[in-house]
Amino acid sequence: NAGVTQTPKFQVLKTGQSMTLQCAQDMNHNSMYWYRQDPGMGLRLIYYSASEGTTDKGEVPNGYNVSRLNKREFSLRLESAAPSQTSVYFCASSVLDRAIYNEQFFGPGTRLTVL
Amino acid sequence: GDSVTQMEGPVTLSEEAFLTINCTYTATGYPSLFWYVQYPGEGLQLLLKATKADDKGSNKGFEATYRKETTSFHLEKGSVQVSDSAVYFCALSDRNTDKLIFGTGTRLQVFP
Repeated sequence: NAGVTQTPKFQVLKTGQSMTLQCAQDMNHNSMYWYRQDPGMGLRLIYYSASEGTTDKGEVPNGYNVSRLNKREFSLRLESAAPSQTSVYFCASSVLDRAIYNEQFFGPGTRLTVL
Repeated sequence: GDSVTQMEGPVTLSEEAFLTINCTYTATGYPSLFWYVQYPGEGLQLLLKATKADDKGSNKGFEATYRKETTSFHLEKGSVQVSDSAVYFCALSDRNTDKLIFGTGTRLQVFP
């Protein structure tokens, strides 16, 4: 049981390049999330997916797209990277059962630098 | 909108000292409250939680009480260890969506 996995761990891009961050969970969770972590700003939600086939914008969605490929996988795509997207990206998942408390489980993160 | 405010760090303590990290929140309705911990180079882990007013969450010697009257959820530990050095995040969630709103994080450094 690997929990939440993310690839790659590190990435350096040039301005204008594109890339996709991959996330997978093996806990049969319904909901998945993408956050970015910047110094002094905590974690901010980029996009989330409450269930397979649905996605919604979070606090900072501009410049990103997502795909909920299936229940396990939720990818984040940068179509044209900008230096402002230099950050650490975290994927998370949770059960989303409204009858109980739902803990979010986080992946180890992807450190992205855009030059 | 909903928000979380926590004390700025770093907080620097000697081993066995008492720790308090303040957290206050603004929210409509009745959110759940959490403390997450991030060790160097790792993702976030849930440290403790409280889902309703007056609940006390506890784990690994850390405690926090959900105070609705003061909209606070302060983290405390009676005797910190070097291994507690990490960044601590206070967060709240909307029960319907499970979306988390984080504070900016407080770095704790514990020296022997």
